[in-house]
Amino acid sequence: EAQVTQNPRYLITVTGKKLTVTCSQNMNHEYMSWYRQDPGLGLRQIYYSMNVEVTDKGDVPEGYKVSRKEKRNFPLILESPSPNQTSLYFCASSWTVNTEAFFGQGTRLTVV
Amino acid sequence: AQKITQTQPGMFVQEKEAVTLDCTYDTSDPSYGLFWYKQPSSGEMIFLIYQGSYDQQNATEGRYSLNFQKARKSANLVISASQLGDSAMYFCLIRDNYGQNFVFGPGTRLSVLP
Repeated sequence: EAQVTQNPRYLITVTGKKLTVTCSQNMNHEYMSWYRQDPGLGLRQIYYSMNVEVTDKGDVPEGYKVSRKEKRNFPLILESPSPNQTSLYFCASSWTVNTEAFFGQGTRLTVV
Repeated sequence: AQKITQTQPGMFVQEKEAVTLDCTYDTSDPSYGLFWYKQPSSGEMIFLIYQGSYDQQNATEGRYSLNFQKARKSANLVISASQLGDSAMYFCLIRDNYGQNFVFGPGTRLSVLP
């Protein structure tokens, strides 16, 4: 089954404790991206990757890091999480820019 | 910069009736794609329909159709024969064929009444 898998689905953590949200796709997509969804602000792009070892900043990259060492995986790293990073996070992948994006199920992160 | 406007924060529709969700966009790119996604209360994002800027015909996918008016920069989603399971948030998105970003609209919350 074609899918994008995010882990964990839910996470509560404390300020400053490094965490990683994993994202993996089994469709051999080149393009992957991360979004955060906040009430009243909709979904905003954090980072994206066009291919292995190619990443770039989206609209709200501050406080986040990513890596793309292999095609299927695109982890999101919060080196020192803060409460304003409490949000619902989505990973997505697609073949190209004009094909549908497949979204993961979302990760609900709470930073206290 | 691209922008999506969805002017209806919330909509109600009676079960089995059709409903139109509005979406207007702004882009200076000649080539782009428009997407609609559904987000039920469980949170996942579900792809509904895609329209390319050069597509001559309006896209259709089952009960979903896209009323694409390029000159007006509008891409309204039409859901025919609404079902209770259609109750969800609906997002209109634009993506240009050169850029890397999906730009999301603020969404419309649709409630289907029995």
